[in-house]
Amino acid sequence: NAGVTQTPKFRVLKTGQSMTLLCAQDMNHEYMYWYRQDPGMGLRLIHYSVGEGTTAKGEVPDGYNVSRLKKQNFLLGLESAAPSQTSVYFCASIPGLAAKETQYFGPGTRLLVL
Amino acid sequence: GENVGLHLPTLSVQEGDNSIINCAYSNSASDYFIWYKQESGKGPQFIIDIRSNMDKRQGQRVTVLLNKTVKHLSLQIAATQPGDSAVYFCAEIRGNGGYQKVTFGTGTKLQVIP
Repeated sequence: NAGVTQTPKFRVLKTGQSMTLLCAQDMNHEYMYWYRQDPGMGLRLIHYSVGEGTTAKGEVPDGYNVSRLKKQNFLLGLESAAPSQTSVYFCASIPGLAAKETQYFGPGTRLLVL
Repeated sequence: GENVGLHLPTLSVQEGDNSIINCAYSNSASDYFIWYKQESGKGPQFIIDIRSNMDKRQGQRVTVLLNKTVKHLSLQIAATQPGDSAVYFCAEIRGNGGYQKVTFGTGTKLQVIP
């Protein structure tokens, strides 16, 4: 099991460019999440998915879109990158919704928007 | 409003000593709490959790204490080792309809002095 993987690991974008971050998990988990982590702040939820074909907004969804076409993949898209989106992005997954389930995190994608 | 925070941003301890990392929270409507460890350049890693109806839980070299009266959570690491150097943060978990609402603290950096 590779667990949760993220690609790319690092990316530099110019303002206005677009890109897609890929999260993949091989644990057959139902729920997947995208977070951003900024200095001095806790992880903040961008979007999440409770199953294949479903997505929903989290705390900070503006400027991002997501898709969950396959159960194992959760894509995060930036249509027009802004410097405020410079951050470290983490994907996470859990098997299902139960009080004891913890989230399995990927290694992160560092994004720099110039 | 909701607030999951930490008292100290950086904690330095001598190798072999015990470490205590603290977390304050303001929302008492939670199912359980988790402590995560995040090493540099990596995603958060689950350490230990505690349900809201418990006061104490022990793991291997780690103990989590929950004081609901003062809304305080602590992580104790016994015989701290250099490999324990990382950022530690707490998370408050609430099952909320279709997803698991997680509020993360900002983190405390633990530095172990050899």
